[in-house]
Amino acid sequence: DSGVTQTPKHLITATGQRVTLRCSPRSGDLSVYWYQQSLDQGLQFLIQYYNGEERAKGNILERFSAQQFPDLHSELNLSSLELGDSALYFCASSVYTGTNEQFFGPGTRLTVL
Amino acid sequence: GIQVEQSPPDLILQEGANSTLRCNFSDSVNNLQWFHQNPWGQLINLFYIPSGTKQNGRLSATTVATERYSLLYISSSQTTDSGVYFCAVDPNQAGTALIFGKGTTLSVSS
Repeated sequence: DSGVTQTPKHLITATGQRVTLRCSPRSGDLSVYWYQQSLDQGLQFLIQYYNGEERAKGNILERFSAQQFPDLHSELNLSSLELGDSALYFCASSVYTGTNEQFFGPGTRLTVL
Repeated sequence: GIQVEQSPPDLILQEGANSTLRCNFSDSVNNLQWFHQNPWGQLINLFYIPSGTKQNGRLSATTVATERYSLLYISSSQTTDSGVYFCAVDPNQAGTALIFGKGTTLSVSS
């Protein structure tokens, strides 16, 4: 158990819908990262937050957004869902001082029908 | 951007065999991690190893940062070692994204 929690584990929804994925980092970690794993694109970085502020952006679509709350949990919002958004979404966290070892949550498997 | 290449892409072993997985990266890095993704999809941290050698039970890893490669050794493999092994690097200093290789898929049969 990495100490990173994600909910829900599975999500099945229809095209055009909006969903919210939730992540709680390890105790003491200030940085949260979101990654997407799809069959064709592999594991890709989406976005990073550090202590409530956006820190870095990767290949995140405009239909996707995220935020980190004062208690450091984070939410990833996916809207106007398309079939191609079906993937495994991971959250990771790190201390973000000195070493930057990232620890991954169990993931949320999103299926868009 | 930085390129991360893993080899071999697939590996089939009998239980008890040893194996070496390789990760080459195209630029200097400040962080390198090895992960095991099990059949249930979980990403499990194996090593945080930007340089040097580490060992954890039957697994060990070596990163030669000056030559831009890392090796993961699995000895006396077990069926539970099956899954995908990813190498991931952070090309910047502290707090940025990991860039993942495409992985090595390992199948260990009894």
